[in-house]
Amino acid sequence: DAGVIQSPRHEVTEMGQEVTLRCKPISGHDYLFWYRQTMMRGLELLIYFNNNVPIDDSGMPEDRFSAKMPNASFSTLKIQPSEPRDSAVYFCASSRTGAVGTEAFFGQGTRLTVV
Amino acid sequence: GQQVMQIPQYQHVQEGEDFTTYCNSSTTLSNIQWYKQRPGGHPVFLIQLVKSGEVKKQKRLTFQFGEAKKNSSLHITATQTTDVGTYFCAGPRSGNTGKLIFGQGTTLQVKP
Repeated sequence: DAGVIQSPRHEVTEMGQEVTLRCKPISGHDYLFWYRQTMMRGLELLIYFNNNVPIDDSGMPEDRFSAKMPNASFSTLKIQPSEPRDSAVYFCASSRTGAVGTEAFFGQGTRLTVV
Repeated sequence: GQQVMQIPQYQHVQEGEDFTTYCNSSTTLSNIQWYKQRPGGHPVFLIQLVKSGEVKKQKRLTFQFGEAKKNSSLHITATQTTDVGTYFCAGPRSGNTGKLIFGQGTTLQVKP
């Protein structure tokens, strides 16, 4: 298995532009997580899905952020409009089940820079 | 809300010295997981502890789960430059929802 695949790896965009981050989880994993990592705030969970259904989006910072999972093999995280404070590394992770004790597999991340 | 705290935040050691990072949860955990993130990389799962008082070893790494299942530690013996990175502990949110609460991590620097 290729692991969790994220694209793009790097994204530089101007303030106000729409940004879409993409994730392909590991096949057979029914949980998908979106994290944001910054020096100041560490690793923050933004939202997670179970069987393509959003379960907890309490970590989404504001309405400018939205996430979808139209099918079991694809998810997007969209920021519209983007702001410089959104600059961070965004990780997608998946796990086989949400049962207690299941490890999360992380993608390589998307490094977003908003100028 | 439920919190997972790690100390120290940063640690600089000379190659060959030992290193320990501590993880404390505000609630009892059913299990705890440890991840390592190399500079510029992504978190990678190292190990999971489930039982009260459990101790597991991976070569020079020793992981321990506290008796009350609210704290854990990772000890590295005789650090090497390859140990450089940030070590995270993570525990499941109460209620078995599949959500992992990550500590803020301990970043280890090793001077050769």
